[in-house]
Amino acid sequence: SSELTQDPAVSVALGQTVRITCQGDRIRTYYANWYQQKPGQAPVLVIYNKTNRPSGIPDRFSGSTSGNTASLTITGAQAEDEADYFCNSRDSSGNQVFGGGTKLTVL
Amino acid sequence: QVQLQESGPGLVKPSQTLSLTCTVSGGSINSGTYSWSWIRQPAGMGLEWIGRIYSSGYTDYNPSLKSRVTISVDTSKNQFSLKLSSVTAADTAVYYCAREPRYHYDRGDYWVRYFDYWGQGTLVTVSS
Repeated sequence: SSELTQDPAVSVALGQTVRITCQGDRIRTYYANWYQQKPGQAPVLVIYNKTNRPSGIPDRFSGSTSGNTASLTITGAQAEDEADYFCNSRDSSGNQVFGGGTKLTVL
Repeated sequence: QVQLQESGPGLVKPSQTLSLTCTVSGGSINSGTYSWSWIRQPAGMGLEWIGRIYSSGYTDYNPSLKSRVTISVDTSKNQFSLKLSSVTAADTAVYYCAREPRYHYDRGDYWVRYFDYWGQGTLVTVSS
């Protein structure tokens, strides 16, 4: 299956740590990327190929994988991290697929 | 700094063809390291990859849209374009163009692809 499954919503207290997950068979074999999207804005890449953080992304964002699950961890969540987060991988033909997204609320 | 900008009609009638262009500035579209993608997002929903094009003109399309999609490139203008035919209300969405780097990850023996630069997005409404 090329589907990527995310929890629709997650919340975290200000300054605490939160993990957002993405499940899919292809994650065992291929890459997982993560994007942050704030209302009315284009997505922003925060993690690529499971663990790599682009320049300019705060180091409180980190990525990991275990089996068929990719995780995006925010250590010390800030108010500005409140956003939708989408994971992305590929199917067997190399076509890009996205998860349904997780809405993160910072309390 | 690479920038992408979508342009095109914001309103398309049902059964007609949606046409959008993405203009790339701050970098050449004629690079073998990148492909160029279209992605869309209905209001309040998730992201859907539509397809990609290389500077050579080679394309890959989402199988669910393949019969209706054409992506083309004009390297002289540093632009690439999307045509989606026979549109319905279900095609109403914000359409994004994005740059898609790729590199071979030797440890996993696969090609890594991701979207590092995005346009601001353009809303296309399908309505009579």
